[in-house]
Amino acid sequence: EVQLVESGGGLVQPGGSLRLSCAASGFTFSSYWMYWVRQAPGKGLVWVSRIDIDGSSTTYTDSVRGRFTISRDNAKNTLYLQMNSLRAEDTAVYYCARLGGYDGFDHWGQGALVTVSS
Amino acid sequence: DIQMTQSPSSLSASVGDRVTITCRASQDIRNHLGWYQQKPGKAPKRLIYAASSLQSGVPSRFSGSGSGTEFTLTITSLQPEDFASYYCLQYNGDPWTFGQGTKVGIK
Repeated sequence: EVQLVESGGGLVQPGGSLRLSCAASGFTFSSYWMYWVRQAPGKGLVWVSRIDIDGSSTTYTDSVRGRFTISRDNAKNTLYLQMNSLRAEDTAVYYCARLGGYDGFDHWGQGALVTVSS
Repeated sequence: DIQMTQSPSSLSASVGDRVTITCRASQDIRNHLGWYQQKPGKAPKRLIYAASSLQSGVPSRFSGSGSGTEFTLTITSLQPEDFASYYCLQYNGDPWTFGQGTKVGIK
């Protein structure tokens, strides 16, 4: 069974940093592109970042480029999102998601809540 | 960026009703569209991919149609467990973008 389990969320002050992790199991992690998607409280879903199978190619949405870094450790079956210079508008539930073939996200984690507030 | 306009933003329906949700893309996205269901406090779950392909394990009362710029999700006979929010996702052009969501509530 495919499982994605996020961790590392919490409360952080504006300007602070946080690192999210997403532990994958039940599939060959190193064969799949992986993504982070976020959802602000009461709002819709927004794609944040993606990484290819070996980490050589990464992409970010405009609002986080230069502040967030996506990475992966295929030996540990884990995806990461390093978030620096956090802002109030980064407050959201962050989901990791797997790219299923060529057809969007087929599996999602349960989400990690990040709250940026003083 | 490709804009996905989803409608309605909310609706009220009764068990057994037929429900239709629409997504319009700002440009041709071929059939690169998926539909997701999200219940409160839970992760999204894929229902439909490639506009009309039913995800394994998803009940057949869910169906998708469309191509190009107009897409539809239909629930033929709404069940109690279907009260949730629904989102479309286009994955034809970067960045991938979601519709604003449709909340299906109980009438």
